[in-house]
Amino acid sequence: EVQLLQSGAEVKQPGESLKISCKGSGYSFSNYWIAWVRQLPGKGLEWVGIIFPADSDTRYSPSFQGQVTISVDTSINTAYLQWSSLKASDTAMYYCASPGHNYDGSNFYHSFDYWGQGTLVTVSS
Amino acid sequence: EIVLTQSPGTLSLSPGERVTLSCRASQSVRSNYLTWYQQKPGQAPRLLIYGASRRATGVPDRFSGSGSGTDFTLTISRLEPEDSGVYYCQHYVASLTWTFGQGTKVDIK
Repeated sequence: EVQLLQSGAEVKQPGESLKISCKGSGYSFSNYWIAWVRQLPGKGLEWVGIIFPADSDTRYSPSFQGQVTISVDTSINTAYLQWSSLKASDTAMYYCASPGHNYDGSNFYHSFDYWGQGTLVTVSS
Repeated sequence: EIVLTQSPGTLSLSPGERVTLSCRASQSVRSNYLTWYQQKPGQAPRLLIYGASRRATGVPDRFSGSGSGTDFTLTISRLEPEDSGVYYCQHYVASLTWTFGQGTKVDIK
């Protein structure tokens, strides 16, 4: 069974750093992309960025480029999303998700097939 | 930049009713790259439909997707109480870039 298990909720002050995690299990972690998605309180879903664990190829949404860093540690099947200096506007739920599991032999559908349970990040002074 | 516009913003319907949700793209998109998700209150999103019309594993057959070009539809043939939540469409734009619609909230009376 494919599972993505995220780290627990965080409460931080503005200016602090933070690294949240997403651990994959039940599949070949290195061979499937891991994406991050932000959901501001009461709002919709926004794609943040994505990483391919096997070679750490990383892409960011233009809205998040330079604001966050995505990384991975394949030795423990874990992807990370980190901030060097948090702002109150970073307060949100963050989800990891994994696309590509519905490949049918001839078509890639690029849907986010599996999701983590979410990590709530609260930034407040 | 492709923009996905979902309508209506909110629906309030009774159990047993037929529901039609719309997702309109600002320009023609590949059907293979159009996806629908369901998000229940307090939960992570869940994959419902991928490739515009393919039901994900475990999704009840009352859910169906259709459409092509710029107009896509998610239909719930007979609404159940557990179907309340927000439904999002998503498109894979290209070169590992995705965009989401703003969501349609479905309330059960």
